[in-house]
Amino acid sequence: GAVVSQHPSWVICKSGTSVKIECRSLDFQATTMFWYRQFPKQSLMLMATSNEGSKATYEQGVEKDKFLINHASLTLSTLTVTSAHPEDSSFYICSARTEADSPLHFGNGTRLTVT
Amino acid sequence: GDSVTQMEGPVTLSEEAFLTINCTYTATGYPSLFWYVQYPGEGLQLLLKATKADDKGSNKGFEATYRKETTSFHLEKGSVQVSDSAVYFCALRTGGFKTIFGAGTRLFVKA
Repeated sequence: GAVVSQHPSWVICKSGTSVKIECRSLDFQATTMFWYRQFPKQSLMLMATSNEGSKATYEQGVEKDKFLINHASLTLSTLTVTSAHPEDSSFYICSARTEADSPLHFGNGTRLTVT
Repeated sequence: GDSVTQMEGPVTLSEEAFLTINCTYTATGYPSLFWYVQYPGEGLQLLLKATKADDKGSNKGFEATYRKETTSFHLEKGSVQVSDSAVYFCALRTGGFKTIFGAGTRLFVKA
């Protein structure tokens, strides 16, 4: 089946530093990848949609200069949290799909803790 | 805007009990509806889906029917097992192909 690998699964960083999270589709080509953020006991909040080779589309209220998304190939998208602050601590999840109406395949998520 | 509301958990049941997790949605147009499941330590995976009114999605003994008149997509299973313990997410996909999730409902099944 379609596998999405997300790395790292958890990371602790100091305030002011940047953290990069990778999302890879291992056995399929992902034309579109999505990045979500999940707060405790809350829903997955869509942050941005990235299509291979083009700029990401950010949801309202998501700072594009803070959450840098790159989708340079059909199998890799990265999310970089720049100048992280404690309020950025959260669970970040990526998902990928092949075509517009195909199912989403999810990574296992990354727990980010900013101290 | 489009949204999904599902019942708060956790839901605790004994093995072989009947399960219902309620889900209602608000959307313009005619969205596709989904249930995703997240087992402990794993990523979300698609459980079932329905793409139009009155469709019934089913998988692994779970069922959900797309009810346009009540804007609902309730998840049901006749007899739950301990292995069904997980977090269940109701979701809709809009015409723009964004997927919007509910808050998730945690299910605990006791032996």
